[in-house]
Amino acid sequence: DIQLTQSPSFLSASVGDRVTITCRASQGISSYLAWYQQKPGKAPKLLIYAASTLQSGVPSRFSGSGSGTEFSLTISSLQPEDSATYYCQQLNSYPLTFGGGTKVEIK
Amino acid sequence: QITLKESGPTLLKPTQTLTLTCTFSGFSLTTSGVGVGWIRQPPGKALEWLALIYWDDDERYSPSLKSRLTITKDTSKNQVVLTMTYMDPVDTATYYCAQMMILTGYGAFHIWGQGTMVTVSS
Repeated sequence: DIQLTQSPSFLSASVGDRVTITCRASQGISSYLAWYQQKPGKAPKLLIYAASTLQSGVPSRFSGSGSGTEFSLTISSLQPEDSATYYCQQLNSYPLTFGGGTKVEIK
Repeated sequence: QITLKESGPTLLKPTQTLTLTCTFSGFSLTTSGVGVGWIRQPPGKALEWLALIYWDDDERYSPSLKSRLTITKDTSKNQVVLTMTYMDPVDTATYYCAQMMILTGYGAFHIWGQGTMVTVSS
């Protein structure tokens, strides 16, 4: 199984800050990576797929980059509504796996 | 508008079988590149993928749960059913179904249902 390690597991930042979350795969997954946002009590929401393709309707302050084993999700200017837990997922091979999540708190 | 909704029991006893139904609208499971998957999330924990069925009847399972899982589809009813046998308290979780779409060769779970909480307790 491909393991995904997210870092940090928790971060606290101020409105307007640039925030970056990292996802590291235990083996190469090309660009078969997606990012999801989950708010408390809600279902996950797709933000980015194919490592860097922004899902329709997602604000442009979100961006994804990387390929192979190192990926990142960046929020260019953190907004109050971005308080959530973020998960990466690899879709390169079965079983599909998710990272452990990164909780983003607004200071 | 694409929607998915999970339905099934909220409380089960250990060793019972869980049957969850995902009823969807706004897309067809006969369309190339489309699938429906199941993902669960124990309280306070991360997401775990369980199973996935594609438009061409290809079925995929989590190896750790494969012996307990069955996924089926009924395209006439726009439903996907997941059964999980021998339920245990560690299976207590919110269970989500989600639409898988493969676009330009890359897949992702584009739309998710609201989830249904399943508790296993004697």
